[in-house]
This record gives sequence, structure tokens and C-alpha cells, in this order.
Amino acid sequence: GDSVTQMEGPVTLSEEAFLTINCTYTATGYPSLFWYVQYPGEGLQLLLKATKADDKGSNKGFEATYRKETTSFHLEKGSVQVSDSAVYFCALSYHAGGTSYGKLTFGQGTILTVHP
Amino acid sequence: GAGVSQSPSNKVTEKGKDVELRCDPISGHTALYWYRQSLGQGLEFLIYFQGNSAPDKSGLPSDRFSAERTGGSVSTLTIQRTQQEDSAVYLCASSLTVSYNEQFFGPGTRLTVL
Repeated sequence: GDSVTQMEGPVTLSEEAFLTINCTYTATGYPSLFWYVQYPGEGLQLLLKATKADDKGSNKGFEATYRKETTSFHLEKGSVQVSDSAVYFCALSYHAGGTSYGKLTFGQGTILTVHP
Repeated sequence: GAGVSQSPSNKVTEKGKDVELRCDPISGHTALYWYRQSLGQGLEFLIYFQGNSAPDKSGLPSDRFSAERTGGSVSTLTIQRTQQEDSAVYLCASSLTVSYNEQFFGPGTRLTVL
């Protein structure tokens, strides 16, 4: 079945450091890939997405590129802020014949803490 | 506009009791999803609705779990004869249609089974 694997956390960084959170996936067909973020005390929010190979999703300074050859969708940010402290989830939704089944399959989540 | 709302926000119940969790999706969203977030299992898909029908119930853990959606809007997730392992945060999400990728999540219902 489909699965998503994220790098183990937690990740602790100083403000302005470079961030990478690794994400790899296994899936049949051609999924869309997502990063969701859960800030403390808040619900899950879509951070960025990519729907086909070589697409780059970006938002709030975060980027991730859909790499079909390595089945990866690593999240990066050049300079993190304290306000980026949150739990980050990589996810895929499965497509078949162009119709999305919609169901999201999530990785286990990575806790990011950024210190001033 | 209003986002996805869920009620109650917290529910504490005794083992063996039945519970009902409610989800109000964003107005006009035809697709609705239920997920469960627990420490041991992470985020798991439970069931989704397209309109009032549920094409995929594959994530429901047992026959004690059921869900319905009426009027293409509000959905209720029912857990019968609750067990301690049912303790988790139950998340609801909605999207414009099933084929529209972005899902908008509610704040969740934290269920604690004593």
C-alpha cells in the first residue's frame, strides 16, 4: 500500500538556520504530494503542494520539489524563525485514472523547535 | 468565511459507553473526511464522504465505528462501546470536491476513554 516516511525528529534549530525535513514515499500511480503544518494549539493547515513530477511547491519561504526519480518531497527553508516552530507532516493523496480518491496518507510528523 | 467546525472539542467517557462526534464542513464543500491522530499511530484516515455517500470506509478500525452524513453537510462519527485504545484526537476535513486536492481541517475532538 501507499506510505510516507519522514525523517525522525524532533529537530531543534537556532533562528536563521537552514531547515531540511526529508520525506520519501511509496505509491502506485501518480500521487499529489503535500506538506501540512500544525502550529501549537491549532489545526492542520496546508503549507504547500505539488501535483506532478518536477513541480515545486512554495509558501511562506518554504519549498519542496516533487522528485519522482527519488520518490522524495523534502521540505526546505533558507532561514527559519521562532514562529516556524510546529509539527510538519508530509502527505500524499492517491490518484487513479485522473480521479483523486482524496484520502490523505500522512507521514509520522516531525516536530520543529526554533530557538531565538 | 467560517472554517470547519467540530464538536465537542473535548470528550471524556467511560469504557463501554457510546460517543458521537460532530463535524460541520465549510459551506459548499461536497467532500468530507475523518482522520484520527494518536501518539502511537500518527494520522490515520478513517472514512470519506462524497455528498452523502461513503465510497471509502477502509480506515474504520472496527465495526464499532460508523459515520453518516446528511443533507450533504453535517457528519457524525459514532463510536459504540468505546475502548481505551479509541482515545485520540478525531479530525474532520472538507474539500470542494474529492478531486480538489486541498483539504481544510477542523480543530479536532479530543476523546479520552477512561
